[in-house]
Amino acid sequence: DGGITQSPKYLFRKEGQNVTLSCEQNLNHDAMYWYRQDPGQGLRLIYYSQIVNDFQKGDIAEGYSVSREKKESFPLTVTSAQKNPTAFYLCASSMVATPYNEQFFGPGTRLTVL
Amino acid sequence: AQKVTQAQTEISVVEKEDVTLDCVYETRDTTYYLFWYKQPPSGELVFLIRRNSFDEQNEISGRYSWNFQKSTSSFNFTITASQVVDSAVYFCALSSMNTGFQKLVFGTGTRLLVSP
Repeated sequence: DGGITQSPKYLFRKEGQNVTLSCEQNLNHDAMYWYRQDPGQGLRLIYYSQIVNDFQKGDIAEGYSVSREKKESFPLTVTSAQKNPTAFYLCASSMVATPYNEQFFGPGTRLTVL
Repeated sequence: AQKVTQAQTEISVVEKEDVTLDCVYETRDTTYYLFWYKQPPSGELVFLIRRNSFDEQNEISGRYSWNFQKSTSSFNFTITASQVVDSAVYFCALSSMNTGFQKLVFGTGTRLLVSP
């Protein structure tokens, strides 16, 4: 079955540690995205990638980093510079990065920083 | 600037009631796209519908229907004869040709609770 996988589902880290969230898709989509969701808020764009080896900052990129070495993979690193990293993180992909293409979402990773 | 407002934070209904979720958007672009997504308790967002700014026809899909009115900048979502499985958070989102890529601007979501 085609889809997006994110791992782990739950992640606990100590304050000051970097942590990497995994996102893999087998939909053969060119574009991939990372969003952050906080309680009672909509999704906010962290980073997006339109093609392999290219990515751009979204609205709240500070304290985060990404890489896109393979079409299928778009890992997100939450660094110690992120002031409030506890949140629900969603990865998404779309066929191409155009306004009319719907995005498909993974099941999310809930990160808790202790 | 683009903005999506979902003023209803939470709605509670009893099964079989009809319910309408409101979505009001703001954009200066003439070409744009509106989306509705469903987020069940599992967390994964599920795509429901896309509508472009040039198509104001209402759409019906089973118990779901959507009312797009450019005059009031609204894209409301109605569930007819609601069921417990409809319980979820529903997000309205907007994207525009002028951003150059698909940047989705999300509303804050409406949590729908359907009780038996």
